[in-house]
Amino acid sequence: NAGVTQTPKFQVLKTGQSMTLQCAQDMNHEYMSWYRQDPGMGLRLIHYSVGAGITDQGEVPNGYNVSRSTTEDFPLRLLSAAPSQTSVYFCASSYGVPGLSNQPQHFGDGTRLSIL
Amino acid sequence: RKEVEQDPGPFNVPEGATVAFNCTYSNSASQSFFWYRQDCRKEPKLLMSVYSSGNEDGRFTAQLNRASQYISLLIRDSKLSDSATYLCVVKAFNAGNNRKLIWGLGTSLAVNP
Repeated sequence: NAGVTQTPKFQVLKTGQSMTLQCAQDMNHEYMSWYRQDPGMGLRLIHYSVGAGITDQGEVPNGYNVSRSTTEDFPLRLLSAAPSQTSVYFCASSYGVPGLSNQPQHFGDGTRLSIL
Repeated sequence: RKEVEQDPGPFNVPEGATVAFNCTYSNSASQSFFWYRQDCRKEPKLLMSVYSSGNEDGRFTAQLNRASQYISLLIRDSKLSDSATYLCVVKAFNAGNNRKLIWGLGTSLAVNP
């Protein structure tokens, strides 16, 4: 009964390094998304995908890339880490697009990322 | 003005108390509303959707006031396990007339023994 699985749970990077946050779901959800959560700000959408092969930008996409080669996986790539990307990252999935349906989003446990 | 605003709290209440949170939204065309719960250092989880006529789920009651543009969450008979941050989520439209979800910053609740 895995749901949404994110790895790693914690990561410390140096400025300029790149890395990939992994996200996988086993619920056959079409919609997947990445959020970041920062103190004093609500969850902000980075990128999202409405199905395999389809991705689109959210509210704060700069500095991040995504791909969706399979329904299950939606990795988030930091191209060149910057201190401003220090945050908690959540991956989420749902049956329908949250903006178009009332289906709940299921979140992963989060990745706490620090950029030095 | 933020699109979705919540009183950050913290609300400190004794066990058994009734507590209510409000969430105001600025876009009168907002369509759907949700309450999520987030425990400390955990992921958000859907608590309940908010329907126009108001809805109840056990000790939790959600209401929508479209005229005043706010939603509320009432928790009766508070339990220690209710301690968490409660996030208000509103489905609205962005500049391109596309639907989007807007997350509030959350209201922190601490239920004390």
